[in-house]
Amino acid sequence: DGGITQSPKYLFRKEGQNVTLSCEQNLNHDAMYWYRQDPGQGLRLIYYSQIVNDFQKGDIAEGYSVSREKKESFPLTVTSAQKNPTAFYLCASSPGRRLPSGANVLTFGAGSRLTVL
Amino acid sequence: AQTVTQSQPEMSVQEAETVTLSCTYDTSESNYYLFWYKQPPSRQMILVIRQEAYKQQNATENRFSVNFQKAAKSFSLKISDSQLGDTAMYFCAFMKHAPKTEYGNKLVFGAGTILRVKS
Repeated sequence: DGGITQSPKYLFRKEGQNVTLSCEQNLNHDAMYWYRQDPGQGLRLIYYSQIVNDFQKGDIAEGYSVSREKKESFPLTVTSAQKNPTAFYLCASSPGRRLPSGANVLTFGAGSRLTVL
Repeated sequence: AQTVTQSQPEMSVQEAETVTLSCTYDTSESNYYLFWYKQPPSRQMILVIRQEAYKQQNATENRFSVNFQKAAKSFSLKISDSQLGDTAMYFCAFMKHAPKTEYGNKLVFGAGTILRVKS
């Protein structure tokens, strides 16, 4: 079945460490996104990519980095510069610019919970 | 920049009854799309319903329907015949229309409303 796989589901990090969250999709989608979810704040966009080897900062990109070397993969690195990284992270994908905006429904992964010890 | 406001942090409804979740948004765009997503306790985000701003007719999907008031910038979700499986966090979201030449298709989310369906 087509879908989005995020790993790991739970991750613990010591302060000062970088960690990488994996996101893989087999939906043949061009666009991929990373959102952060905190209680009472909804989902906030960290980074997004419309095409391989290109990506854009979202609203809260500071302390995060991404790469898009393959269409299927969009890993997120949470660096030590991120002041408050404990959160739930959601990866999503959509068909991208091949379709009109309204047809670009986002499909989400199951999420990764990062806790800083 | 667009903003989405959900003024009801929590709501509850009896099984089989009807409930309406509120959402307002702020934008200067004339062409855009609105969505309701559901996040059950599993935390998997699921699309509930979608509305194109240029369509006057309100979208419906089985027991779910919207009341879209473009002038008032309001987009409420009505759930009829509520079921226990409807218990979830519901998010309202906005996407502006983006020509293919632009970097677009970002979703802007509200803070969410927790809905509890009681038996």
